[in-house]
Amino acid sequence: AQTVTQSQPEMSVQEAETVTLSCTYDTSENNYYLFWYKQPPSRQMILVIRQEAYKQQNATENRFSVNFQKAAKSFSLKISDSQLGDTAMYFCAFMKHVGDYKLSFGAGTTVTVRA
Amino acid sequence: EPEVTQTPSHQVTQMGQEVILRCVPISNHLYFYWYRQILGQKVEFLVSFYNNEISEKSEIFDDQFSVERPDGSNFTLKIRSTKLEDSAMYFCASCCIQAQETQYFGPGTRLLVL
Repeated sequence: AQTVTQSQPEMSVQEAETVTLSCTYDTSENNYYLFWYKQPPSRQMILVIRQEAYKQQNATENRFSVNFQKAAKSFSLKISDSQLGDTAMYFCAFMKHVGDYKLSFGAGTTVTVRA
Repeated sequence: EPEVTQTPSHQVTQMGQEVILRCVPISNHLYFYWYRQILGQKVEFLVSFYNNEISEKSEIFDDQFSVERPDGSNFTLKIRSTKLEDSAMYFCASCCIQAQETQYFGPGTRLLVL
């Protein structure tokens, strides 16, 4: 079974500053997918960014970027120019490339953006 | 933009009652999922469904749970006899032509069992 670990329960950042969320995972798979989902107070799960493990280039999506270190099994999310609307719980998730297609989630990191 | 919808948004039920949670996945998607999130905890996989049958289920998904796609558009989760510990947010998700693509989540149903 895959384990996803988010070691930071809460983080706070000043508006317009940058915050980095950490995520590590444990797998014996070589090919897989990694995701960051955002869950605002409405509790809707919103995809932020996705990374295929076979791609060396780090994914970016506007102000969101990842640092994917395959050997270290690390997948951090950087939020640049933080906005008040970024306040949410952020979940890191893992999915195998073949076999089961379920998402395995970390425990989440609550991000609060301060005005 | 197409989206996954879920009804009801909130459901309160008495312990031992049956509940049915409904989801309408994105129309051309082929893979369907239910996840659960107990308040304050992480999101947990319950079951995946493809080609009109369960493809995988977790240990949480015991005989009290069932899923079906009765009419080609709705995807339902039934809990036969609810327990207090079933209180949670239930998310439906759907995915595309190939399962290795991104899963899109519905807004969730908040279930409270009294």
